[in-house]
Amino acid sequence: AQSVTQPDIHITVSEGASLELRCNYSYGATPYLFWYVQSPGQGLQLLLKYFSGDTLVQGIKGFEAEFKRSQSSFNLRKPSVHWSDAAEYFCAVGGAAGNKLTFGGGTRVLVKP
Amino acid sequence: GAGVSQSPSNKVTEKGKDVELRCDPISGHTALYWYRQRLGQGLEFLIYFQGNSAPDKSGLPSDRFSAERTGESVSTLTIQRTQQEDSAVYLCASSFLGPSTDTQYFGPGTRLTVL
Repeated sequence: AQSVTQPDIHITVSEGASLELRCNYSYGATPYLFWYVQSPGQGLQLLLKYFSGDTLVQGIKGFEAEFKRSQSSFNLRKPSVHWSDAAEYFCAVGGAAGNKLTFGGGTRVLVKP
Repeated sequence: GAGVSQSPSNKVTEKGKDVELRCDPISGHTALYWYRQRLGQGLEFLIYFQGNSAPDKSGLPSDRFSAERTGESVSTLTIQRTQQEDSAVYLCASSFLGPSTDTQYFGPGTRLTVL
């Protein structure tokens, strides 16, 4: 069965500091990996996705993620956090096209001025 | 439309009543998904539609939950005899199944509160 673990429930970071959100997955085949962001009162927005190819993926809003097969990880990073990045972040894994997504429990990011 | 839309945005109902939640996917998207998000938790898969294929209902938590989709358009999620544990945000997503991509685009959700 597929699963996703986001070990950090909450992270607090100062504005301008770097951010890294951890994601570990379990999947029996080649995974498709996603990061979504959910801002207060808003729907889920796709930040980036990995299907194949280059293991370092660039997304919107200055985010990037690196797929490490050996570690079953897909950590999300941003070099310099803005106050508007305060939100909840979800990592998800799926299989071939048309497969359901399995989500992690989410990491809530708080940004200090 | 420009994105996935869902209605109503909020629904408050009494325990034991039936509710219907609606999802309008992005035009041209062949796949449609329903998820549930309980307070403070991640998303749980409920059901998946793809074209005329039989839907994947493996995530439906009980027989009180059902969903329909007409062709590649609107979907309705019905919860019968609602219980308090059904309180959650119900999210719909749609995607276009290309050769190697399946990015799901989510609607804003329907917040269901069962009193």
